Amino acid sequence: EPEVTQTPSHQVTQMGQEVILRCVPISNHLYFYWYRQILGQKVEFLVSFYNNEISEKSEIFDDQFSVERPDGSNFTLKIRSTKLEDSAMYFCASSLMDSKETQYFGPGTRLLVL
Amino acid sequence: GENVEQHPSTLSVQEGDSAVIKCTYSDSASNYFPWYKQELGKGPQLIIDIRSNVGEKKDQRIAVTLNKTAKHFSLHITETQPEDSAVYFCAASKGGSYIPTFGRGTSLIVHP
Repeated sequence: EPEVTQTPSHQVTQMGQEVILRCVPISNHLYFYWYRQILGQKVEFLVSFYNNEISEKSEIFDDQFSVERPDGSNFTLKIRSTKLEDSAMYFCASSLMDSKETQYFGPGTRLLVL
Repeated sequence: GENVEQHPSTLSVQEGDSAVIKCTYSDSASNYFPWYKQELGKGPQLIIDIRSNVGEKKDQRIAVTLNKTAKHFSLHITETQPEDSAVYFCAASKGGSYIPTFGRGTSLIVHP
């Protein structure tokens, strides 16, 4: 069964450093998403992406975040200058264009900012 | 914006018992309510959903109910098995973008 994959599974970085989280969505999916879950808190929507542009974003997704689909398979989330409060589990998800409600989530990347 | 509350945060049952997880939502415009199961080391996986034009939906041992008037929806698992042990999330969303607002999650533990 096809699945969303994410790399790395864990990342430790110093405050102020840039990080790039990578995702490979399911191959025939056209909508891509990033969510985050700070430890002990709810899963929160960050951004959705379709047709090479941001479709929707939350207020969390400020100027320090960016997303990109650099090639036909990868979908990345970049955090330019990490802060301690960026420490969280980051989930990528993807969905078919005509079935956006059914989102398939990856296993997540646990980011720790020191 | 939408706010989803979920209870309980932890639920411990014996194998074979039933488990019920309850959620409330605040935005009456929400019309799609998915439930996700998250096992250790994995992302949330959609297990069942319900739309606002339906009051109940069942899939084998799991069922969801929706009370639009009270803005409540619930997940019912019957004849629980140890492999049902996981974190369960409810969510609410609106047609169009279907971006879910999640509840805080319920850790279900099924003791053999």
